[in-house]
Amino acid sequence: GESVGLHLPTLSVQEGDNSIINCAYSNSASDYFIWYKQESGKGPQFIIDIRSNMDKRQGQRVTVLLNKTVKHLSLQIAATQPGDSAVYFCAEKTGANSKLTFGKGITLSVRP
Amino acid sequence: DAGITQSPRHKVTETGTPVTLRCHQTENHRYMYWYRQDPGHGLRLIHYSYGVKDTDKGEVSDGYSVSRSKTEDFLLTLESATSSQTSVYFCAISERNSMASTGELFFGEGSRLTVL
Repeated sequence: GESVGLHLPTLSVQEGDNSIINCAYSNSASDYFIWYKQESGKGPQFIIDIRSNMDKRQGQRVTVLLNKTVKHLSLQIAATQPGDSAVYFCAEKTGANSKLTFGKGITLSVRP
Repeated sequence: DAGITQSPRHKVTETGTPVTLRCHQTENHRYMYWYRQDPGHGLRLIHYSYGVKDTDKGEVSDGYSVSRSKTEDFLLTLESATSSQTSVYFCAISERNSMASTGELFFGEGSRLTVL
């Protein structure tokens, strides 16, 4: 299938545990961030987004935290399930009319 | 799932040959994008379109051209394929301009291109 999970850092978690996936961004002027999930053989899928005027946003079983002081973004997945196994990557945008810049991704592997 | 179809899904070609990848959407979204995805890199924008016959370059546009004659179709052409263009190509669509707002991108399933 279509995937580029090779050579990516891997996070291995036990099924049922919480997962924390981290992303460091480089541009302190970035004002919008998105987390995407990419399953093997599929295209990236939107999970959750957050604007820079927020430091936390919750979705269904996922929470995104933004720490602008250290330019750090994290995705927390509660009660991780086998279906959560995928490559996760963050994207940032800097101001209006700028493009999204995507990170390289992290592979989440869920142990049964 | 958003109605996005990419074709072909897999293609092997030789250096120097022309290649066209097609993206077809049934969502009537105004904005369409072509990205490439390679190991060690994030998704990188090749070209995008903000309407019929309206296109612009992304960050890695050299060696690629695009056309959009209808709202639903966005074609990516490699005029003379090179081995460095071996990649997985993703089409994406959005209702709003992801570059000017927080428009959500919907991606296709990808097209794996191998240039020998």
